[in-house]
Amino acid sequence: GAGVSQSPRYKVAKRGQDVALRCDPISGHVSLFWYQQALGQGPEFLTYFQNEAQLDKSGLPSDRFFAERPEGSVSTLKIQRTQQEDSAVYLCASSFTVTSGGAKEQFFGPGTRLTVL
Amino acid sequence: GENVEQHPSTLSVQEGDSAVIKCTYSDSASNYFPWYKQELGKRPQLIIDIRSNVGEKKDQRIAVTLNKTAKHFSLHITETQPEDSAVYFCAASTPNTDKLIFGTGTRLQVFP
Repeated sequence: GAGVSQSPRYKVAKRGQDVALRCDPISGHVSLFWYQQALGQGPEFLTYFQNEAQLDKSGLPSDRFFAERPEGSVSTLKIQRTQQEDSAVYLCASSFTVTSGGAKEQFFGPGTRLTVL
Repeated sequence: GENVEQHPSTLSVQEGDSAVIKCTYSDSASNYFPWYKQELGKRPQLIIDIRSNVGEKKDQRIAVTLNKTAKHFSLHITETQPEDSAVYFCAASTPNTDKLIFGTGTRLQVFP
């Protein structure tokens, strides 16, 4: 079946512009994660949804970052008033379910490469 | 919170040799340890994972070992091939959250 998809794949924004990044998880996957990957670094956690509930947003770097998943499937990561330091690849991942005793495999999307000029 | 350190940052091996990448973690409650392979410009892909109730897991040429006491885990690739060349990331997750904390990555180059 189809994997995790993200759009757009590339986004160039002028400093101060707002951007919206979309993630379509694998159908039926309950959990959805957003990560930020700077060049040459590992992915860093931003936020986590279980269905439509945002259970952890501890990784969002500032109040300019906002994520939603209103119907428990598609998610949008919005960045307001973009800054140059926001330039990175934004990865979305989904997993089937959360069960007691441990995490499940996370399937990653191809990412959105954001460049802020 | 959890912190994951990964070594080495780069690793060059001859085709057919073995490669070992090591990670340490700080939170003794962490219980899930996946390894991802990421080729240039591509998405991370899971290659193997291990849970804290297991000490070793093997899948063909790839194996992972976990030492809970020392809080470190390692990826072993045997009989390396040029197509193994990529960046490899280790990660850790604790039971009260499924978020992954990643290491800084190891760039593996396998020379023919």
